[in-house]
Amino acid sequence: GAGVSQSPSNKVTEKGKDVELRCDPISGHTALYWYRQRLGQGLEFLIYFQGNSAPDKSGLPSDRFSAERTGESVSTLTIQRTQQEDSAVYLCASSLSGGAVGELFFGEGSRLTVL
Amino acid sequence: GQQVMQIPQYQHVQEGEDFTTYCNSSTTLSNIQWYKQRPGGHPVFLIQLVKSGEVKKQKRLTFQFGEAKKNSSLHITATQTTDVGTYFCAGFSGAGSYQLTFGKGTKLSVIP
Repeated sequence: GAGVSQSPSNKVTEKGKDVELRCDPISGHTALYWYRQRLGQGLEFLIYFQGNSAPDKSGLPSDRFSAERTGESVSTLTIQRTQQEDSAVYLCASSLSGGAVGELFFGEGSRLTVL
Repeated sequence: GQQVMQIPQYQHVQEGEDFTTYCNSSTTLSNIQWYKQRPGGHPVFLIQLVKSGEVKKQKRLTFQFGEAKKNSSLHITATQTTDVGTYFCAGFSGAGSYQLTFGKGTKLSVIP
């Protein structure tokens, strides 16, 4: 596709349920990032993938959060037993290569609301 | 861990006035990037600075990277209503880290 695609765009769930958020990066981009943005706040780093390995998982807030990436393509962010504080926009970004070498292209985000 | 502070948090200007946002890192940066997020939108890349003391211009926007590579600024001359949005700096420390750490952003409102 032309850009980074994320789904679902909106997700409303009940506290305690699991959710999966999907990211399709730009074809050929080896680096993939997940960020969380709470309402009116900045971007909070969650995890970085280079290819299908995750050399930096330091931003995952708890063991309820996990992410995987298949090949150099789709990534899934899973939140188990969701809590109200998980409500936020989850942004995925891809980059041609990892590290400090270039711009991140962001998707439109997945807005998660936990009731 | 690395922290990136950005001030001010909010700025309201009259159309035609200038605007500046400042970014400070707790550690020396390998590079710094700037992004703009329009209301309801996603962050869009503006520019990357790599060299100590670097200055880059994009039309009415001027970006600077400090000599010590720990601070940066974005200056907009003669703001227009199309400049409305939140401006984020994002720093990469290198040294084995893969995190691009974002500041909290400066939200710019332009009064016509």
